[in-house]
Amino acid sequence: DIQMTQSPSSLSASVGDRVNITCRASQNIGLYVNWYQQKPGKAPELLIYGASSVESGVPSRFTGSGSGTDFTLIITALQPEDFATYSCQQSYQTPYNFGQGTKVDIK
Amino acid sequence: VQLQESGPGLVKPSETLSLTCTVSGDPISSGGYYWTWFRQHPGKGLEWIGNVFYGGSSSYSSSLKSRLRISVGSSENQFSLNLRSVTAADTAVYYCARGQYRAALGQAHRYWGQGILVTVSS
Repeated sequence: DIQMTQSPSSLSASVGDRVNITCRASQNIGLYVNWYQQKPGKAPELLIYGASSVESGVPSRFTGSGSGTDFTLIITALQPEDFATYSCQQSYQTPYNFGQGTKVDIK
Repeated sequence: VQLQESGPGLVKPSETLSLTCTVSGDPISSGGYYWTWFRQHPGKGLEWIGNVFYGGSSSYSSSLKSRLRISVGSSENQFSLNLRSVTAADTAVYYCARGQYRAALGQAHRYWGQGILVTVSS
C-alpha cells in the first residue's frame, strides 16, 4: 500500500497568513493527489485534484503543487472560514490512502 | 448530485453492518463513476474502504477485504456496504461518495453524503 505522510499535524495561524501543508508519498505517484477540507461534523470537501487542479467553486487562494512524491497545499491569505482540517489523498493505486490530516486553528 | 447514507446506528459485535447510500440527481446506471465508501474513526483521519464501478468490479481496502462487500443495489439509485463480523474497532462515521476518474489526474470525490455514525456495542 502507498503511505501518505502529511505535515504538520497541526498549526496555528492568523487571518491573512500564508499556510503551507505538505504531503509525501511512499512511492512515485505522479500527479495523483487530492486535497480535501473538513470542518467538524461535516463531510470532506474536495479542494484540489490531480495535484494542482482547483475544483470548481473553490476560492483561488487555494493552490496545489508538486509531483512524484512531494506535494504541497498552499492557502494564501487565510480567511476565517478556512480554519479546518486538511487531508491529502493518493489515487494512484487502491487503497486510496489519506494523510493523517492537518488541523489549522486560530493563533 | 446528492448522496444520503442510511442504516442502523448501533450494531452488535460479530454481526453484519449494512449501510445503503441513496443517490439523487444522477442515476448510478448512467455509468462512469466509482461509488465509494469511506469511514472516519472518532477523532481520526479519513479511511478509504472501497468502491464499486457500475457494471464492473469492486475494489476493497486490504485490511477489510475479507469481511467486506460493496455492491450496486437493485434500485438504480442505491449502492450498499456490508461489513461482516464487526468489532468495536469498526465504530466510525461512514461516508458514501461519488468518485470521478480523470485521465492522468486520478480519481477524486466531489460529492459526499453527510455521514452516518455507526457504533458497535452490545
